[in-house]
Amino acid sequence: ETGVTQSPTHLIKTRGQQVTLRCSSQSGHNTVSWYQQALGQGPQFIFQYYREEENGRGNFPPRFSGLQFPNYSSELNVNALELDDSALYLCASSSGQGAHTDTQYFGPGTRLTVL
Amino acid sequence: KQEVTQIPAALSVPEGENLVLNCSFTDSAIYNLQWFRQDPGKGLTSLLLIQSSQREQTSGRLNASLDKSSGRSTLYIAASQPGDSATYLCAVRPGSGTYKYIFGTGTRLKVLA
Repeated sequence: ETGVTQSPTHLIKTRGQQVTLRCSSQSGHNTVSWYQQALGQGPQFIFQYYREEENGRGNFPPRFSGLQFPNYSSELNVNALELDDSALYLCASSSGQGAHTDTQYFGPGTRLTVL
Repeated sequence: KQEVTQIPAALSVPEGENLVLNCSFTDSAIYNLQWFRQDPGKGLTSLLLIQSSQREQTSGRLNASLDKSSGRSTLYIAASQPGDSATYLCAVRPGSGTYKYIFGTGTRLKVLA
């Protein structure tokens, strides 16, 4: 069974740039959630995708967007980067939808630094 | 608005001690609660998931309890080992119709050999 993988591991960008982060979900999982974790804080929910549709969104501006592909892998795109976007971005996969997405399996994260 | 608090923020104990990590949440109407472990700079590993109808879950040396009415959960670690050193995060899922988990800021545990 393949776990959740994320790429790249680390990324450095400058303010105003755009970034794309990638996630491959665990085998058999059709739901992907993205979280932002600032240093010393708990993860904050960005959004969730189920079968290629956005399925719930947290309190993040529209410049945070995503995609899910037919193989259930996912991308997180952030436009017009700000210094406060510097964080660890975590992807989590699970099976089912809504009430049935219980245990989430997290990837190792992508560390984004915005200068 | 659901808020999750974890106390203490950091804890240092000698090897072999039994310890308790605390998590409190402001709204008792939760769907489930999970405890996670996070090693420095790494992703999260799910340790225990407690459904709202359950009182506790056990896995090896770990036991998590849930008291919804008081908005509290505890993670008990028996016979702690240096390998248990990590940050422990508590997360609640507010309801069956919501998809997100709300996390606390974690307890950073250091077990001294």
